Amino acid sequence: SQTIHQWPATLVQPVGSPLSLECTVEGTSNPNLYWYRQAAGRGLQLLFYSVGIGQISSEVPQNLSASRPQDRQFILSSKKLLLSDSGFYLCAWAGAAEAFFGQGTRLTVV
Amino acid sequence: AQRVTQPEKLLSVFKGAPVELKCNYSYSGSPELFWYVQYSRQRLQLLLRHISRESIKGFTADLNKGETSFHLKKPFAQEEDSAMYYCALSGQSFQKLVFGTGTRLLVSP
Repeated sequence: SQTIHQWPATLVQPVGSPLSLECTVEGTSNPNLYWYRQAAGRGLQLLFYSVGIGQISSEVPQNLSASRPQDRQFILSSKKLLLSDSGFYLCAWAGAAEAFFGQGTRLTVV
Repeated sequence: AQRVTQPEKLLSVFKGAPVELKCNYSYSGSPELFWYVQYSRQRLQLLLRHISRESIKGFTADLNKGETSFHLKKPFAQEEDSAMYYCALSGQSFQKLVFGTGTRLLVSP
């Protein structure tokens, strides 16, 4: 069966520090991969999606970037975190007709 | 542009009352529409998709291309239906998947 792993579950980082959130998928090949940010009142905001290795589409210009170094690995990064980067980040993968979500990462920038 | 609008942030009903969660979309091609649900302390999960024309947990949703809507309905709400509901839209090949802002459904006894 397919599973998705996202870590860490919670993270507290100082302003100006780098960020790396990792997401891996098991049990499927060539999935579409997504990073979302979930905020109260704003729903699920699509940040990046990828349809293949090295292929990244950015939806929201901001202080974040994404990379897909392997077929089933999707990384969300930042070189210097801002206070406004605090939030709940969700990774997801999609097959033919359904998306599956990770547990999420609560990021607090202090 | 691909866009999903859920006009209600909160919908509060009594047990046994009908429920309708509204969803409107904007998309130039042939859309694929979904409803996702997030129960308290659980992961976001698929509730139903328009292409399946199915009823899940008593919920149904009909795609109305004329009104560009995909409202979620249930004739008799249950307390366990209380959750956050998201409408989502993808284009063909299920690449870009866009969500609405979500509606919190609260069903009171």
